[in-house]
Amino acid sequence: EIVLTQSPGTLSLSPGERGTLSCRASQPIRSSYLAWYQQKPGQAPRLLIYGASSRATGIPDRFSGSGSATDFTLTISRLEPEDFAVYYCQQYGTSPQTFGQGTKVEIK
Amino acid sequence: EVLLLESGGGLVQPGASLRLSCAVSEFTSSAYAVSWVRQAPGKGLEWVSTISGYGDSTYYTDSVKGRFTISRGNSKTTVYLQMNSLRAGDTALYYCATPIYYYGSGSYYPWWGQGTLVTVSS
Repeated sequence: EIVLTQSPGTLSLSPGERGTLSCRASQPIRSSYLAWYQQKPGQAPRLLIYGASSRATGIPDRFSGSGSATDFTLTISRLEPEDFAVYYCQQYGTSPQTFGQGTKVEIK
Repeated sequence: EVLLLESGGGLVQPGASLRLSCAVSEFTSSAYAVSWVRQAPGKGLEWVSTISGYGDSTYYTDSVKGRFTISRGNSKTTVYLQMNSLRAGDTALYYCATPIYYYGSGSYYPWWGQGTLVTVSS
């Protein structure tokens, strides 16, 4: 199975700063079938990005995704207070679909 | 928008069985595949199983094959996860989620329920 490794484990930033989260795959992801989710405590995951770079419905444009093959990035251009959460990447190009272990974005 | 509501979780002993339900409120729900994704306490997300829109295809992660069975009710608006021979490692919050399109290898999930907690402990 494809293992997704997210880095860093924790990202400490201040509101207004730029956040860059990495997701590296153990083998190339077919057709850039890579998604990003945001999860806050006590809530279900929320889809942010699919197809590596397409924003889901209603997602602010401060969230952007990029990358291909084995290296993918989620960028939050200017952190808002509501963006502090855990972020997961997921690949769905090769069965079984798998998730990364998550990156926690915390307030510095 | 598709709304999903899970039920059926609880505390059970190792080796016991439990059936989870996911009610999908959308008049075209039969067109949607439905997946179960679990999250152990304080841990990340793990895909468990998926059933196709018409129930003719099912998929499982290796650790639950032969123990868990996913199915759809006659109305196609409810999806079940029958869990047998439960282990401590199955303890998790179980979410049902549905994609717009299921690729066979997986999909991304715009819609999620709020989860139902399964605890396996003696």
